[in-house]
Amino acid sequence: EAGVAQSPRYKIIEKRQSVAFWCNPISGHATLYWYQQILGQGPKLLIQFQNNGVVDDSQLPKDRFSAERLKGVDSTLKIQPAKLEDSAVYLCASNKAGANTDTQYFGPGTRLTVL
Amino acid sequence: GNSVTQMEGPVTLSEEAFLTINCTYTATGYPSLFWYVQYPGEGLQLLLKATKADDKGSNKGFEATYRKETTSFHLEKGSVQVSDSAVYFCALKVKAAGNKLTFGGGTRVLVKP
Repeated sequence: EAGVAQSPRYKIIEKRQSVAFWCNPISGHATLYWYQQILGQGPKLLIQFQNNGVVDDSQLPKDRFSAERLKGVDSTLKIQPAKLEDSAVYLCASNKAGANTDTQYFGPGTRLTVL
Repeated sequence: GNSVTQMEGPVTLSEEAFLTINCTYTATGYPSLFWYVQYPGEGLQLLLKATKADDKGSNKGFEATYRKETTSFHLEKGSVQVSDSAVYFCALKVKAAGNKLTFGGGTRVLVKP
């Protein structure tokens, strides 16, 4: 089965610009997650969707970050405007139904560099 | 809250050496525990998991046992190879916290021939 797809793989922008990332989860996976991984640290959850509804966005900086999953399948994460500290790898993950025994599968990530 | 603490790296070993990476956790509720691995230039991959106390997860020669009494999930491998060079992340999920993964900071392992 196909894995979690993300694009682009790399993005370089200047501060105050906008950027968007796309994720397509594994087919049939109801739960989708966006994580931010700063260099040298473990991933940190930004937002979690169950189908097209938001389950947890408590760690999402809502003044500049937004995310949507309109049809309950693929998702976009946007940053507007970007800051230097947003430089990180943005990881998308999915699992079937969100049970705590389910395995989360990760995409390859989008590496964002903000200059 | 939920948190994971793992030993800082880098850990440098010779091929065929024994590897241990310590991981301890705090959790509200009954967590499932995971080890993920990130090879150079690649995404996060699940290495192994354990969902209840005393379970042992194993894969590719790696093992970890869920120890509820010591809130630990240490990763071990008896004989490492150069190809095991990677960053290893310990993580937990708790149903009450929406089943999101909480990660440790990662441990970089470098195996030299």
